[in-house]
Amino acid sequence: AQKVTQAQTEISVVEKEDVTLDCVYETRDTTYYLFWYKQPPSGELVFLIRRNSFDEQNEISGRYSWNFQKSTSSFNFTITASQVVDSAVYFCALTTRETSGSRLTFGEGTQLTVNP
Amino acid sequence: GAVVSQHPSRVICKSGTSVKIECRSLDFQATTMFWYRQFPKQSLMLMATSNEGSKATYEQGVEKDKFLINHASLTLSTLTVTSAHPEDSSFYICSASRRTGVSYGYTFGSGTRLTVV
Repeated sequence: AQKVTQAQTEISVVEKEDVTLDCVYETRDTTYYLFWYKQPPSGELVFLIRRNSFDEQNEISGRYSWNFQKSTSSFNFTITASQVVDSAVYFCALTTRETSGSRLTFGEGTQLTVNP
Repeated sequence: GAVVSQHPSRVICKSGTSVKIECRSLDFQATTMFWYRQFPKQSLMLMATSNEGSKATYEQGVEKDKFLINHASLTLSTLTVTSAHPEDSSFYICSASRRTGVSYGYTFGSGTRLTVV
């Protein structure tokens, strides 16, 4: 069985602050895939990143960066210089098979509020 | 990029009636479609997985006679909430699995907010 834990239920920051969203996962599989999604108030899920278990390189995309640490089973997400438009619920997710029918296991989500 | 069109985005129906939600993959073939429901301030809960041309696989605790899923083609999957009740009010979202190179990706619909009155 697999599990994703996002311990931070809600985070509130002031614009331009940096913020890190934590994600800890559990799986017995040695091959797995991690995702981050953003869900704005409108409801749709916006794909942010996918990371394979065999690629521990950290990634940066503009103001977003991800830190993948297999030793601690964590895949944390940092937003630098946050903006009001970053306010949303962020989900971390995991799948362990590379097939059409493999399901995503979602964490409980972190509500991020960026105040002006 | 890959798009999944989900309709309707919002629906209000009377208790006892049925509601159909459609998800279409616009520019790719969706071999597998996942259906989720999401209550306010909660995570996505997988309801069922459907493969084109075969019966859906429902998660434990999900009534298959109440939530009818049809995946008749590689581009269309529907979820019908039969005899809806207020407790069925929720946000329903579909996700299509698609091949991306040597791996698979997930494309989500924009969701349907169902209110049963």
